Amino acid sequence: GAVVSQHPSWVICKSGTSVKIECRSLDFQATTMFWYRQFPKQSLMLMATSNEGSKATYEQGVEKDKFLINHASLTLSTLTVTSAHPEDSSFYICSAVGGGAMNEQFFGPGTRLTVL
Amino acid sequence: GENVEQHPSTLSVQEGDSAVIKCTYSDSASNYFPWYKQELGKRPQLIIDIRSNVGEKKDQRIAVTLNKTAKHFSLHITETQPEDSAVYFCAASRGNTPLVFGKGTRLSVIA
Repeated sequence: GAVVSQHPSWVICKSGTSVKIECRSLDFQATTMFWYRQFPKQSLMLMATSNEGSKATYEQGVEKDKFLINHASLTLSTLTVTSAHPEDSSFYICSAVGGGAMNEQFFGPGTRLTVL
Repeated sequence: GENVEQHPSTLSVQEGDSAVIKCTYSDSASNYFPWYKQELGKRPQLIIDIRSNVGEKKDQRIAVTLNKTAKHFSLHITETQPEDSAVYFCAASRGNTPLVFGKGTRLSVIA
């Protein structure tokens, strides 16, 4: 089946630093990738939609200058949390479309970000 | 945009009983309705999905029903087992648009 990897699986950083998270589709070309954020005991909230070679589309309330998304190829999208603060601590999950039936999304394993 | 409501937020059942989780959606153009199981700290796992041209789908102990007219869909788990305990999310989308998730249901199966 379609496999999506995410790296790193967890990261701890100091306030004010930047963190990059990678999302890769390992055995298929992802036409679209999505980035979600999940706070404890809450649902997944879409942050942005990423298409290869074009600018990401951000959801309302998500700062595009803080959460930089680059989709350089059909198998890789990156999310950079710039100037991270403790309130950015969350579980970040990517998903990719293109490896299965129409609409079907394949999720990465997630990245646990803790900002001290 | 799409809005998905999910009920109940928590559900406790005795082992062997059935569990039902219900979701409603607002966008009549939505045509894909997956259900995910998520264990603590892990990615959501697709357990079953249904498309708008089908009214019911079953996979062993899990079934999903869809009522397009009423814009609601339900997850049914029969003969529940302790390992079914997790958080379950419904979602809806159309085409290749992002999934919109419900708020989740924490299912506890009591042995």
